[in-house]
Amino acid sequence: QVQLKQSGPGLVQPSQSLSITCTVSGFSLTSYGVHWVRQSPGKGLEWLGVIWSGGSTDYNAAFISRLSISKDNSKSQVFFKMNSLQANDTAIYYCASHSFAYWGQGTLVTVSA
Amino acid sequence: QIVLTQSPAIMSASPGEKVTMTCSASSSVSYMHWYQQKSGTSPKRWIYDTSKLASGVPARFSGSGSGTSYSLTISSMEAEDAATYYCQQWSSNPPTFGGGTKLEIK
Repeated sequence: QVQLKQSGPGLVQPSQSLSITCTVSGFSLTSYGVHWVRQSPGKGLEWLGVIWSGGSTDYNAAFISRLSISKDNSKSQVFFKMNSLQANDTAIYYCASHSFAYWGQGTLVTVSA
Repeated sequence: QIVLTQSPAIMSASPGEKVTMTCSASSSVSYMHWYQQKSGTSPKRWIYDTSKLASGVPARFSGSGSGTSYSLTISSMEAEDAATYYCQQWSSNPPTFGGGTKLEIK
């Protein structure tokens, strides 16, 4: 069955970068895209970006200057990186499959010194 | 970007009661999608393409609407339906989510 498993740190220092890996199973990254969404008490659910099956990406304009999504098809892994984190970036970060049909378990990220 | 407004923000229903929640879009969208989220868990796709039930979703759930007005209905409330429901559109970039309707059991 389809699964998305996330791995990454829970604590990030202000101004530092966040990196999360999403490892998928049950589908091929060469056939389907993977989205990234975050959830915070203040802003609810926010779509951050997507990497499509062909490797192209689309980003939310609000994050385009500090967000990067890449992947390794052979390892079924998608890599999320956001730079220059501040306190208001504290949130749960999710990866989700094509059409948001399946979601990872979420990574709670706290930005604090 | 398209803003989705859900109402009510919080509601409660007794077992067996019919429940309807709405999602209003700031501009017309082709489809609306709904997610169920329970505390401490990831959102689950619940209804997609306005009215199609995701796998495993009970038939007491239904979705309808068009243009800027959409709704999710539960024909007969059950305790397991208590959760927060979010609407979402991706007819227009970027995909956006509503603020959620928290449904509680009386």
